[in-house]
Amino acid sequence: GAGVSQTPSNKVTEKGKYVELRCDPISGHTALYWYRQSLGQGPEFLIYFQGTGAADDSGLPNDRFFAVRPEGSVSTLKIQRTERGDSAVYLCASSLDWNTGELFFGEGSRLTVL
Amino acid sequence: RKEVEQDPGPFNVPEGATVAFNCTYSNSASQSFFWYRQDCRKEPKLLMSVYSSGNEDGRFTAQLNRASQYISLLIRDSKLSDSATYLCVVYSGTYKYIFGTGTRLKVLA
Repeated sequence: GAGVSQTPSNKVTEKGKYVELRCDPISGHTALYWYRQSLGQGPEFLIYFQGTGAADDSGLPNDRFFAVRPEGSVSTLKIQRTERGDSAVYLCASSLDWNTGELFFGEGSRLTVL
Repeated sequence: RKEVEQDPGPFNVPEGATVAFNCTYSNSASQSFFWYRQDCRKEPKLLMSVYSSGNEDGRFTAQLNRASQYISLLIRDSKLSDSATYLCVVYSGTYKYIFGTGTRLKVLA
């Protein structure tokens, strides 16, 4: 399809394990965002990419979280030494540019840390 | 204080009712404002942008009050299909779109 694609849709892992979540944005969208959404909360900003570079990573909660977008398209969010508090839905969104106001979200990756 | 605050609801209203949601934001330098809709266990989708002069899209009206730093969304003639969570979103000019916690609406038959 032509929308934002995220994989896996569901991931169950054990505390302490490493996890990678992938986002394939809409073709041609230069802006890419990662958000995290916990139950009953709104999406919480994690990181923003403009092209290949992370223009703003101020939302990453700690150094266990890292994201890359090496070729300016697909992005991977990496979480090391997962903790139970990392359990949430991780949403990726893309946009033509950072100031258009319309973010197109993927369906999210639901992470459960046991 | 959160940057964007909303009453979480839920708002339970009968079909045909008019319902209004408010949202307040703390950063007076915020530049752009939006309402997104999120259905249960689905991703958020843009409902409408909010302009200083106010704007209307069918049964939906959005207004911005910069002096008081709040945004509102009015839904007239509510439909069952309007049941969802409505997210207030503020763009402060530093690439970040900040989402409120969302207001849940349930329209009852």
